[in-house]
Amino acid sequence: SQQGEEDPQALSIQEGENATMNCSYKTSINNLQWYRQNSGRGLVHLILIRSNEREKHSGRLRVTLDTSKKSSSLLITASRAADTASYFCATPWAQKLVFGQGTRLTINP
Amino acid sequence: GAVVSQHPSWVICKSGTSVKIECRSLDFQATTMFWYRQFPKQSLMLMATSNEGSKATYEQGVEKDKFLINHASLTLSTLTVTSAHPEDSSFYICSANPPGTDTQYFGPGTRLTVL
Repeated sequence: SQQGEEDPQALSIQEGENATMNCSYKTSINNLQWYRQNSGRGLVHLILIRSNEREKHSGRLRVTLDTSKKSSSLLITASRAADTASYFCATPWAQKLVFGQGTRLTINP
Repeated sequence: GAVVSQHPSWVICKSGTSVKIECRSLDFQATTMFWYRQFPKQSLMLMATSNEGSKATYEQGVEKDKFLINHASLTLSTLTVTSAHPEDSSFYICSANPPGTDTQYFGPGTRLTVL
């Protein structure tokens, strides 16, 4: 299947530290997206990176994409307590979005 | 950004009853909407693709007679869980793409609890 894998499954860090999450996928893509989900809520779109892009920034977020390795990473710099959430990567496949298993990020004050 | 709403945000029902969940795109038209199911601490699993004016496309293993989808207008899709059972208790989320974009916008989700 196209479903990607994310690691780590869970990450707990201190406020102010950087958090890095990784995503791998299986087939060719034209873009990869990252979403955040707060507990019990819907998903919020964070950033979309296209296959011809290697890196993209949005505020404290930095996303990289390595199509040769079929992998992407999401870096959150200077983490805050409000960044505590689950983070999912998603890739388009057959006109649908396929989500990774997610990384549960906990920022400790 | 685009806004997708869902109603209700939570619902508790008795086993054997049917529950309808609405998904609306508030500021754009969506010919296609997506319905997901999410169990605690798990990822989203696509249940079906709702197509305006035609039949929904269900993912493998999803019972179309149990999860009825109606997409009667360009801004509204409904998911009806028929004859609900406790194992149908879950978090149901819808999403839609504004025309010409690759980004899916998600509703806030509906927590269904079947007693």
